[in-house]
Amino acid sequence: GGIITQTPKFLIGQEGQKLTLKCQQNFNHDTMYWYRQDSGKGLRLIYYSITENDLQKGDLSEGYDASREKKSSFSLTVTSAQKNEMAVFLCASTRDNYEQYFGPGTRLTVL
Amino acid sequence: AQSVTQPDARVTVSEGASLQLRCKYSYFGTPYLFWYVQYPRQGLQLLLKYYPGDPVVQGVNGFEAEFSKSNSSFHLRKASVHWSDWAVYFCAVSLASSGSWQLIFGSGTQLTVMP
Repeated sequence: GGIITQTPKFLIGQEGQKLTLKCQQNFNHDTMYWYRQDSGKGLRLIYYSITENDLQKGDLSEGYDASREKKSSFSLTVTSAQKNEMAVFLCASTRDNYEQYFGPGTRLTVL
Repeated sequence: AQSVTQPDARVTVSEGASLQLRCKYSYFGTPYLFWYVQYPRQGLQLLLKYYPGDPVVQGVNGFEAEFSKSNSSFHLRKASVHWSDWAVYFCAVSLASSGSWQLIFGSGTQLTVMP
C-alpha cells in the first residue's frame, strides 16, 4: 500500500499572492496529477507529469505553474490568487495510467 | 469530444432502499470507466473500474456497475443503501493523451441517505 500526502490542508491567501501547494506520494508511481474541484462541479485537470522533470498542461493550466522536482513529489503554484476564489485542489498518482489514487486535498480560500 | 455526464446532481434515498446513479459517456472507441466516491472533506476513492470484458463489474461495499455500449452508459447500483454511503459519487472515463492517460470526470452526484 501507499499514501498521498498534501500540504497544507488549508491555505488562506490574499489577492495577488503567489501560493504553493505540495504533494508527496510513496507508491513509486510515475505519473502524477493536479486537479481543481469547485463546488458542484467535477474535477478539472490543471497539470500532470509522466516522470521527473516532465510537465504537461491540462485544460485549466492558465494561472498555475507546476514543478516535478523528483519522482515522489509534485508541486503546484497559484501564480496570482484571485479574490473570492475558493476551491479544493486534489493531487493524484497512477501506476498503470488507468486507476488514479488521490490525496485528501488542499482547501484554498482567497480573501 | 470525450465527455461524461451525470444527469442527477442530487439523489435522495431511504436507508435500505436500492440505488442507481446514472452515468453517460461520450467516447470514440472502447472506454475504460470508473466510479469514484468522495466522503465529506476527503479525497476520491475508487469504487470500481471497468476494463473491456464482463459488462457487470463488482466494487467495494456492495456496489456494482453495468457497462452498456449501445446506451453509452455505466450506471452504478447498490441493492441496499447504508447511511455510510452518504457521499458524492463521480463517474470518469480514461482518455489517452501525450504519452499518458487522463481521467475525464462527470460533475458528480450527491447522495443523501434518509433514515
